[in-house]
Parts: sequence; C-alpha cells; structure tokens
Amino acid sequence: TQLLEQSPQFLSIQEGENLTVYCNSSSVFSSLQWYRQEPGEGPVLLVTVVTGGEVKKLKRLTFQFGDARKDSSLHITAAQPGDTGLYLCAGGLISNFGNEKLTFGTGTRLTIIP
Amino acid sequence: NAGVTQTPKFQVLKTGQSMTLQCAQDMNHNSMYWYRQDPGMGLRLIYYSASEGTTDKGEVPNGYNVSRLNKREFSLRLESAAPSQTSVYFCASSLFPGTNEKLFFGSGTQLSVL
Repeated sequence: TQLLEQSPQFLSIQEGENLTVYCNSSSVFSSLQWYRQEPGEGPVLLVTVVTGGEVKKLKRLTFQFGDARKDSSLHITAAQPGDTGLYLCAGGLISNFGNEKLTFGTGTRLTIIP
Repeated sequence: NAGVTQTPKFQVLKTGQSMTLQCAQDMNHNSMYWYRQDPGMGLRLIYYSASEGTTDKGEVPNGYNVSRLNKREFSLRLESAAPSQTSVYFCASSLFPGTNEKLFFGSGTQLSVL
C-alpha cells in the first residue's frame, strides 16, 4: 500500500504555462519534503514544510502543506525547460513504536516542451 | 565538493552472484541510507544507519546486508542476487536522523540481475 500518492503521474506542457502537481495521503505527516530528480542523478531537496497551511516560495515554485498535514501541492508558474524532471514528495511519519519514517511518493514526471 | 559518492555506476550480475555497492560521504554526516528506486514505486528504504556503529532495517531489507565501516562509508551487499533486485540503488546521507532532515543523494547505481 502506497501511503503517498502523487498526481498526475506524467505531465507534459508547453514552456510558459502554469502547472500544479499534488501529493496526497490518508495519513498525517509531521513534515513534508519535495525533491526534484534529473535523469541519471539522485534527488535534490527543493523544500521542507512542517506546519499545516504553510506556504513556501522558491522563485517560480510555490509549495503548500495542507491544513490537516495530509496533502501538499507544488505550483510552477511560467514553466521553463529547466523545470523538467521527476518530482518526488516525501512525508515524515511517526510509527507506533515512536520511530520516525520518511515515505516517498510515486513521483510526477514533468516535461516542459520548448 | 564531492558530497555522496557511489560506486559502481552500472553493474550486471547473474542470478546467485554477490556484490557490494560502495558509498562514501565527505560532509561529516552522522546518518546514511540505502534506497532502491523502481518504476511506479518511488524510493524505498532498504537499510539505514542513524549514527556510526548502528544499522537498522528499512522497508525492504530482505536479501541485503549493510556495513557502516566508519563515519564516512556505508556499504550495501547482495549475497545472492535475484532478478527481483534489478533496480536503481541510491545512497544518501543527512547531518542527523529525522524525517525533516535534508537528504543528500549520490548519483545512483543501476543494477541488472539476469
């Protein structure tokens, strides 16, 4: 069972368009991270959000953590070819044993067409 | 700034063969991790080492062993490779354990088991 579902799985849009990708779960997370991964490389952290309702901006990227800390979104304004990549969300869970566990979503593969 | 270095980059094994994936970080991080990435499955944690001298199982540990050789190095061993272990393997490190810590990833090892 995948705790974190990302949608859409694939997205291909023209340069200059806006887009939103989503990360959803039925579980409450203590924190949520977004990573971007380019072909042949490991993921690179973009942002960490920890408070319900928190909004963070990174240039043309806007990240929001849901009020109930069960979901998150990534909005990109005026997409550029350099935004192409696999976007992964990762949520922090506290297990029944008190251990923290980071769970990755399935990813959204974004392609920006010049 | 090397960051996290993984070797080898590519490997092909026959079923039943063994091999060790090497990982080293030069950021003086305390925690290190091994993940595997499969299409549609996201990143799944195999083993982790919260600090030098400790190792713990992750989500998918069966068929793998690890060694935290020192603070810098964390190796992953496949004793008897199986086709189900065909995947891309990533080593990662963080300054401290914790789900809101920034993970730094290596560039991955693409492993095929025939």
